[in-house]
Amino acid sequence: QSALTQPASVTGSPGQSITISCTGTNSDAGSYDRVSWYQQHPGKVPKVMIYGVNKRPSGVSNRFSGSKFGNTASLTISGLQAEDEADYYCCTYAGSGTYWVFGGGTKLTVL
Amino acid sequence: EVQLVDSGGGLVQPGGSLRLSCAASGFTFSSYAMNWVRQAPGKGLEWISYISSTYEIWYADSVQGRFTISRDNAKNSLYLQMNSLRDEDTAVYYCVRDQAWAFDMWGQGTKVTVSS
Repeated sequence: QSALTQPASVTGSPGQSITISCTGTNSDAGSYDRVSWYQQHPGKVPKVMIYGVNKRPSGVSNRFSGSKFGNTASLTISGLQAEDEADYYCCTYAGSGTYWVFGGGTKLTVL
Repeated sequence: EVQLVDSGGGLVQPGGSLRLSCAASGFTFSSYAMNWVRQAPGKGLEWISYISSTYEIWYADSVQGRFTISRDNAKNSLYLQMNSLRDEDTAVYYCVRDQAWAFDMWGQGTKVTVSS
C-alpha cells in the first residue's frame, strides 16, 4: 500500500492562502471521490477538516476547502491564522485490497 | 457525551501479544464501521484495520495475519488483538469511527511500545 504524496512542508503568512497537494494514482485518489483531510496539532488527536473531496464537517471553518483534479487532491486554507499551524494529512479509499491510504503529511508553518 | 476511549497499550517484548480495546459511548455503535489507525513516533498516520457494521473485515498488508479486529456491539466495544509484535509496531493506536467514507471521530489513542 503506497502512501499518497504530499509536500513535506508549506509556509504562509497570516491572511494569506496556501494549498497543500496530495498526489495519488489512477488506482486510489484518481478513482474515488473519497478523499479526506485531517489536521493534527502537536500531541493532539487528528481532526477531519474535509471529506468527500470538498465537503466540510459541521464546525469546520469555511476557510478550509478541498478539490480534486485527476489523481491530485488539494486542500486550500484561506485567510491563514496562527492556529492553522499544524500537520495536515490527506487520505483516500483505494479500493479492495488496499483499502485506505494516507499521505505522508505536510507541516504547515504560519510565520 | 459522544466519545471513543482507547485502552490496553503498554510495553511488550518482540514476538509478544497485546489486546487493545475501544469503548464507544454517545452514539449507536452497532450502526457504524470502525477502524484502527496508528502513528509511529514522529511519523505519519497509517490505517491498519477496518470492521463494518456487518462484520466485513479488512487489514493493511503490514498487519495481515498478525492482527485481528473484532467488535462486541452489546458492549459498545472495538478490539484489536495484536500477535507476533515487531519493533516497527511501536506506535500510538487510535480507534476511529467511519462516517461517509471519512474518519470522523477518534479516540485519544493508546501507546504501544515493542522493545526488549
